[in-house]
Amino acid sequence: EDQVTQSPEALRLQEGESSSLNCSYTVSGLRGLFWYRQDPGKGPEFLFTLYSAGEEKEKERLKATLTKKESFLHITAPKPEDSATYLCAVRHHLNYGGATNKLIFGTGTLLAVQP
Amino acid sequence: KAGVTQTPRYLIKTRGQQVTLSCSPISGHRSVSWYQQTPGQGLQFLFEYFSETQRNKGNFPGRFSGRQFSNSRSEMNVSTLELGDSALYLCASGRDQETQYFGPGTRLLVL
Repeated sequence: EDQVTQSPEALRLQEGESSSLNCSYTVSGLRGLFWYRQDPGKGPEFLFTLYSAGEEKEKERLKATLTKKESFLHITAPKPEDSATYLCAVRHHLNYGGATNKLIFGTGTLLAVQP
Repeated sequence: KAGVTQTPRYLIKTRGQQVTLSCSPISGHRSVSWYQQTPGQGLQFLFEYFSETQRNKGNFPGRFSGRQFSNSRSEMNVSTLELGDSALYLCASGRDQETQYFGPGTRLLVL
């Protein structure tokens, strides 16, 4: 069964304390792994798309990496404004070969950065 | 470029009623997907539309339905509302097989 698992469920960091969030997946035929950030009461905000193992993307204090089984979101020297829920999602090809934009989401990591 | 817009932003309904939610995608996007988000289940896929055709459907009862118009705008309808339908309903749009961008959501409360 296609599955996305994120860990840890919650993470509390001090400002400037770097860390990593994990997203492991089991899907047939990965067609993209996506990271989103979600603030309370708002829709997910797109961060990164990764398509193949070894790929890396960076944006400000965030860096996303992808292997054949998992992805990491590295946060370097976080600030309080980085506090949010970080969601990982995957898209895969359908068994019959049809196209889909359906995303399978993990349950997210709630990050709190204290000043 | 304007983002995905959803209306209304908040809704309060009572059990047994029906509700229609609207989504306007980013200009040029022909793919629209709908998700239900609850604290217990997270983000669950409802259905997706591409060029007015429903291409994929999640594991939700038939009370949940949707459609897409020729201008790519989409609506979803929930009939005979139940308490468990209380959730944040999210719409996402994108170019086919590319990144999906989410709207702010519609918060539905069923009393």
